[in-house]
Amino acid sequence: GAGVSQSPSNKVTEKGKDVELRCDPISGHTALYWYRQSLGQGLEFLIYFQGNSAPDKSGLPSDRFSAERTGGSVSTLTIQRTQQEDSAVYLCASSHTGGLSAQYFGAGTRLSVL
Amino acid sequence: GENVEQHPSTLSVQEGDSAVIKCTYSDSASNYFPWYKQELGKRPQLIIDIRSNVGEKKDQRIAVTLNKTAKHFSLHITETQPEDSAVYFCAPVHGGSQGNLIFGKGTKLSVKP
Repeated sequence: GAGVSQSPSNKVTEKGKDVELRCDPISGHTALYWYRQSLGQGLEFLIYFQGNSAPDKSGLPSDRFSAERTGGSVSTLTIQRTQQEDSAVYLCASSHTGGLSAQYFGAGTRLSVL
Repeated sequence: GENVEQHPSTLSVQEGDSAVIKCTYSDSASNYFPWYKQELGKRPQLIIDIRSNVGEKKDQRIAVTLNKTAKHFSLHITETQPEDSAVYFCAPVHGGSQGNLIFGKGTKLSVKP
C-alpha cells in the first residue's frame, strides 16, 4: 500500500475485555514499531520488530500487552484485560531498514476503555 | 537512557515571523536527529532530519541545525504560515539502537494570521 495502515481507527471497549489492534506496514519495510500517545502527551515506545529477529519488547508497560508480526509484514498488538489507563491512541510506524532510517506513521487506533 | 527535552513547550508567533524550537538530549552517541510535525488529530510526519556528520540542513522554509558538542539541535521555520500550526516533536536516535524513537514532550506552535 501507499502508507502504513491501521485498523480499527476507533475502538471502544469495556474494562476487562481484550482488544486487538492491527498494523499493515509499507511494503518492503523490514522494521515495525508500536507507540502509544495519551491525550496531549508525547509518544511512548512500546515494541519493535526487525525482520526475523526477536522483537524488542522493552517498552511494553505490563504483561497484559503483547504483539506479534506474522510473515514479516502485518502486526497485531493485543491488550488483555483492558484498564481505563490503557485509553490512548496507538500508533504504528514502519521504516525501510530500522536503525537510523526515517519512520512513517499510520493514522493510529484511538482506544477508549470504559 | 536518553533524556530528551524540548523548549519552549508552547510558542505563538505572528504569520510571517520565524520560529525556533530547541531540543536537548543526553546521549552523546545519538547520531540521527529527526523532527516530526503532528497536526491536531493526525499522525506524526517526518518533516526534516539530520545526521551527525552534518551541521545544518535546509528544506525550503524549514531548517535544522545541530550542535553535537552541546548536545542540542534546533528546528527553524521561517516565514511562518497558519498551516505550520501543529505540535512539533524531536526524537534523537542512538547510533547503536534499533531506531525506537524517544520523543520529546512536544512544542505546540500557533501561527496567528
